[in-house]
Amino acid sequence: DTGVSQDPRHKITKRGQNVTFRCDPISEHNRLYWYRQTLGQGPEFLTYFQNEAQLEKSRLLSDRFSAERPKGSFSTLEIQRTEQGDSAMYLCASSLSLRAGSNEQFFGPGTRLTVL
Amino acid sequence: AQSVSQHNHHVILSEAASLELGCNYSYGGTVNLFWYVQYPGQHLQLLLKYFSGDPLVKGIKGFEAEFIKSKFSFNLRKPSVQWSDTAEYFCAVSLSGGYNKLIFGAGTRLAVHP
Repeated sequence: DTGVSQDPRHKITKRGQNVTFRCDPISEHNRLYWYRQTLGQGPEFLTYFQNEAQLEKSRLLSDRFSAERPKGSFSTLEIQRTEQGDSAMYLCASSLSLRAGSNEQFFGPGTRLTVL
Repeated sequence: AQSVSQHNHHVILSEAASLELGCNYSYGGTVNLFWYVQYPGQHLQLLLKYFSGDPLVKGIKGFEAEFIKSKFSFNLRKPSVQWSDTAEYFCAVSLSGGYNKLIFGAGTRLAVHP
């Protein structure tokens, strides 16, 4: 399967613990996005990488959240001192930057986080 | 701030009925428009997209959408739904010329009964 993969698919943690999620984009894609989706809502943009550079962070991304894409390939999203409000599906997407406006984002299956 | 609104949160249809899902966005500039679908247990998949040109866009599985710039709308249509169309449908917009972060609507959950 050459699609976007995410690991783990499910994570249950206790409040206050740290968690880390991984996203492996489609191999030739240089753009990588993180979104968060809560029940009854559409995905909300969190952050964006072009290669290894993190170019935008949403105001949704508090200081407890950090994302990296060290070699411009896979990315990690870490949440420190988790809170119950962090419970959500965390989605990763990737795209290939062609001419402006033409790139399609391909989504992974998501990591469902439950904070007890 | 840009936003996307989807008019119906839940739609229930019988097979062979026609479908139209509403989507309106708020942004005065040039946008790219998308419909994504999420089938039960699966990840988001692109149904169709509009960047420029013919405002009537055809996508996969018989879906189409019409971009009406004056109404800031991008409604999704299918003339005859099937049970397999049961899914959640998301309208999304990105700003043209940027790096294409998507702004999604809240989604419409479609149930098609045999």
